Amino acid sequence: SQQGEEDPQALSIQEGENATMNCSYKTSINNLQWYRQNSGRGLVHLILIRSNEREKHSGRLRVTLDTSKKSSSLLITASRAADTASYFCATDTGNQFYFGTGTSLTVIP
Amino acid sequence: DTAVSQTPKYLVTQMGNDKSIKCEQNLGHDTMYWYKQDSKKFLKIMFSYNNKELIINETVPNRFSPKSPDKAHLNLHINSLELGDSAVYFCASSQSHGYQPQHFGDGTRLSIL
Repeated sequence: SQQGEEDPQALSIQEGENATMNCSYKTSINNLQWYRQNSGRGLVHLILIRSNEREKHSGRLRVTLDTSKKSSSLLITASRAADTASYFCATDTGNQFYFGTGTSLTVIP
Repeated sequence: DTAVSQTPKYLVTQMGNDKSIKCEQNLGHDTMYWYKQDSKKFLKIMFSYNNKELIINETVPNRFSPKSPDKAHLNLHINSLELGDSAVYFCASSQSHGYQPQHFGDGTRLSIL
């Protein structure tokens, strides 16, 4: 099965609320990346966190990484309608690169 | 100025035909990729090229053949198309090999009749 699995599969929130999505993976990694995909478009890179980092911020995004639990989370604070998209984690194991199953986020205005 | 551009955006064709998808990046990146995204949005890497040299060739039928005439271009040729090839194919690039942040094209939606 694939390296990364995301939870929840779908998330619907009101504008202004925070959204949290989780990614679990199976083997050790060099880094983990998060991407956003708007409907009908390509993926857009959001943030990269290395295996020796525990937390990273970029604007309204906060990513955490727990290598002991082989999991990562993406928090989007003060969500906006424009954040509606699918979000994917991707893991770099050194010789393989896997995308997760994705979380579909809907932000209701 | 599109960073990674793919053509065509849509491709509808019959089973058994041969088709090509073109990809170009103007970012000066050394590494380019092809991905396949199925109807459930599962995204899987197919090929990776670094400076025109094949780095990764995942378990992909040999009906799929990538060609990189120069490091700014990575085309995908598909022979004898099958129903299961229906998907969205994405081209991407990164500054160098090592799975650095990737820039994606907007995809080519391939539909096999």
